[in-house]
Amino acid sequence: DAGVIQSPRHEVTEMGQEVTLRCKPISGHNSLFWYRQTMMRGLELLIYFNNNVPIDDSGMPEDRFSAKMPNASFSTLKIQPSEPRDSAVYFCASSKLTGSNSPLHFGNGTRLTVT
Amino acid sequence: QQQVKQSPQSLIVQKGGISIINCAYENTAFDYFPWYQQFPGKGPALLIAIRPDVSEKKEGRFTISFNKSAKQFSLHIMDSQPGDSATYFCAASPGADGLTFGKGTHLIIQP
Repeated sequence: DAGVIQSPRHEVTEMGQEVTLRCKPISGHNSLFWYRQTMMRGLELLIYFNNNVPIDDSGMPEDRFSAKMPNASFSTLKIQPSEPRDSAVYFCASSKLTGSNSPLHFGNGTRLTVT
Repeated sequence: QQQVKQSPQSLIVQKGGISIINCAYENTAFDYFPWYQQFPGKGPALLIAIRPDVSEKKEGRFTISFNKSAKQFSLHIMDSQPGDSATYFCAASPGADGLTFGKGTHLIIQP
């Protein structure tokens, strides 16, 4: 079990640039989640997918954020244009299926710094 | 609206002591209450979880106590060890949706 794989581990970019974060969930998991972690706000759910379909994106801060899951083994979170307040650690997590209380398995995150 | 309130923000416990972290929730639809442990540079990992049909669950040195009427639950770490030093998050979900996390407790176990 390779676990949830996120890339890159660190990203430093300038304000206004496009940022794309990537995630490969655990094989066989049907649900995928994107969380953002900051000191001030803790872990915030941004969006989650069931069977590649977005279910709830109410946590996405604004239109600058978008997420896709083109297939069961890959998801992206894009920020365009990026702003300094987007600086945070972004986590991807997967589970077998929501509603079953299946544990979330988190990746090791992408630390984003926007200057 | 913060749906899961966690306290304290930070906690220092002597080796061998009991660490206690508390959480309170507002949404009565929540029916799953896990605790996650996070080490620096890593993602959170599930530690222990409880459902509201039981008042306590124990796994090794870790125990969740659950009070449905008060809408509170807590994590107890018995015989705390330096390796338990980490950030702990309580969380809750209404079954079909994603977890809502507390803001975390930074626990330090002093040798």
